[in-house]
Formats: sequence, C-alpha cells, structure tokens
Amino acid sequence: ETGVTQTPRHLVMGMTNKKSLKCEQHLGHNAMYWYKQSAKKPLELMFVYNFKEQTENNSVPSRFSPECPNSSHLFLHLHTLQPEDSALYLCASSQDSGAYNEQFFGPGTRLTVL
Amino acid sequence: GENVEQHPSTLSVQEGDSAVIKCTYSDSASNYFPWYKQELGKRPQLIIDIRSNVGEKKDQRIAVTLNKTAKHFSLHITETQPEDSAVYFCAARKNYGGATNKLIFGTGTLLAVQP
Repeated sequence: ETGVTQTPRHLVMGMTNKKSLKCEQHLGHNAMYWYKQSAKKPLELMFVYNFKEQTENNSVPSRFSPECPNSSHLFLHLHTLQPEDSALYLCASSQDSGAYNEQFFGPGTRLTVL
Repeated sequence: GENVEQHPSTLSVQEGDSAVIKCTYSDSASNYFPWYKQELGKRPQLIIDIRSNVGEKKDQRIAVTLNKTAKHFSLHITETQPEDSAVYFCAARKNYGGATNKLIFGTGTLLAVQP
C-alpha cells in the first residue's frame, strides 16, 4: 500500500444524502489535491491545498466542499449531489504545490449517486 | 485556458513491438510534462516526466520527447510487455508564478499489449 489512502473505497448515495470522503497521506507532504475521474474524460482537478490553505478551486459546484484540517488529511464533503457527479474521486499529494513535484495518488473512491 | 489533446484513445500492439502515444498542448508557457500509468482498478502512477528545457528523456524502455515549437510531446515504449497494458495519461503544467502545481491531463490512451 502506498502512502496515500482513501476511505471509503466505494460509496453509493442518494441525491439528498450528505457524505464525506477522506484522504490521508503518510508521506510528509504539504500539498493535497482532489481530482474527479469520469469515463472517457481527462482527470479534472477540483481543489488544491498547500500548507492547509486552499490555492485552487477549479470552478467546482458548491455541493462539493473541501476541508483540510492539517497537511496529512483532506476531506471532501458531499451534499445534494446529482447523478452526473458519479465518478472516481482521486486524492493526491506532493511535497508542495510548486515547481516539478510528483503527485502521488490514492486508490480513489468510486462514487455512485442514485 | 490550457488544453491537452491525447492520441490515440486506444492502442493495441503485439508483445515486443513499440508503442507511441502523442499529446499536444495549447499554452506555450507550459513547462512540465509528466506521464502517468493507470492499471485497471489501480491508482495513476508517474512513470516519466520531462521539463521544457530538455528535448528528450529516457528511462530503460520508456522515453519521452518534447517539441516546444510544435507544442507536442510523445511517450515511446519499446519492447512492450503484457504488463505495460494500462491507461496512459499525459499532462502539462503551466508555471503560474510559484504556488500552484496545476496539471491539465489528456483523455488517456488504453494500451493493450497482446502476448
């Protein structure tokens, strides 16, 4: 198992539910990312946190709410999602968000919105 | 904004043959180009990257070439093996002046190596 873990690995939720995705990295990194991966689409960057500060919100709808309490943990709070939000949500981390740092990905959470 | 196009979307080769995947980017200010490999049901993992001040980089059977003038870069895999079968993503990063490592990804290439 690599240094980036995500829970849960699978999640099925209704459109009125509220749920949260969790990401944890054990690599001592200071930057963390949320990506959305849909079939036949490129990986879409959603949010970037650098030293716990959000530095990027890629025009993500407000029904997705990120939280980064410390450099090791990242959450994605979900509420009133739509079926088109069904996708694989990947978390990644890197040493920091600058320059040429490699991003290490977690295994992802497969989300299905009914 | 930055756009990355990747071709082909699927590629099937015989074991031992070479495979080439091509990407083009739109923003001439892009300066970093990583390639990620994602095996079925697994996470993307970096396999090779190249910076804009270099034209070619090689790591064993994998090589990447960059043509800044034409704004395209390619992944070359020689002597392919069945374990090379995966989806390969290219990406481009623009230097926003310090803080943000914002990668724009291509749509991916499904490589199938037939034994």
